[in-house]
Amino acid sequence: QQPVQSPQAVILREGEDAVINCSSSKALYSVHWYRQKHGEAPVFLMILLKGGEQKGHEKISASFNEKKQQSSLYLTASQLSYSGTYFCGTEMGLYGGSQGNLIFGKGTKLSVKP
Amino acid sequence: ETGVTQSPTHLIKTRGQQVTLRCSSQSGHNTVSWYQQALGQGPQFIFQYYREEENGRGNFPPRFSGLQFPNYSSELNVNALELDDSALYLCASSPAWVTYGYTFGSGTRLTVV
Repeated sequence: QQPVQSPQAVILREGEDAVINCSSSKALYSVHWYRQKHGEAPVFLMILLKGGEQKGHEKISASFNEKKQQSSLYLTASQLSYSGTYFCGTEMGLYGGSQGNLIFGKGTKLSVKP
Repeated sequence: ETGVTQSPTHLIKTRGQQVTLRCSSQSGHNTVSWYQQALGQGPQFIFQYYREEENGRGNFPPRFSGLQFPNYSSELNVNALELDDSALYLCASSPAWVTYGYTFGSGTRLTVV
């Protein structure tokens, strides 16, 4: 039930691009993306709802392939401030007690070097 | 907008003891969720409260219990602490029933010895 994130870790130089993937074996209602820096709270980046919407946030965007139950986070022209661990959180439905119950992946550690 | 605040930030308890962790959500956030995060892992869902009633529970035993109050504050209580309960406990709030992104607090680091 826990979504699978890949890669587990990635090292980038400033200005390079990266893609982080998140896949689930269950039908999803939404996918959330969060970034957590060491010793800090996870910070909400964006949410993608069932319907395949693509959302953007500065130079970070994401897509949700409903048929494949996969989401991808795209980081373009990475900056030092993008370093951290990225988590996807999946939500299976609005009803039956599962609404808002985010199941998080194990995270992808992103390091951006100068 | 004051964000989500949690207290205490750090706590050391002895196995078998009981602990209460506190969270103050943003005003207007009717939904609060609690998560347990082990080192190097993603947050694990404990339970969620919506308008002071439990609205979903993860795979945690009954010794993990919670309360939500009308003033947007909430508590996580853990009885009969075990060594494996050592983790970062995160509180996250959201404005409504409809799916929104969550605002997380900085967490309480619990160490059970």
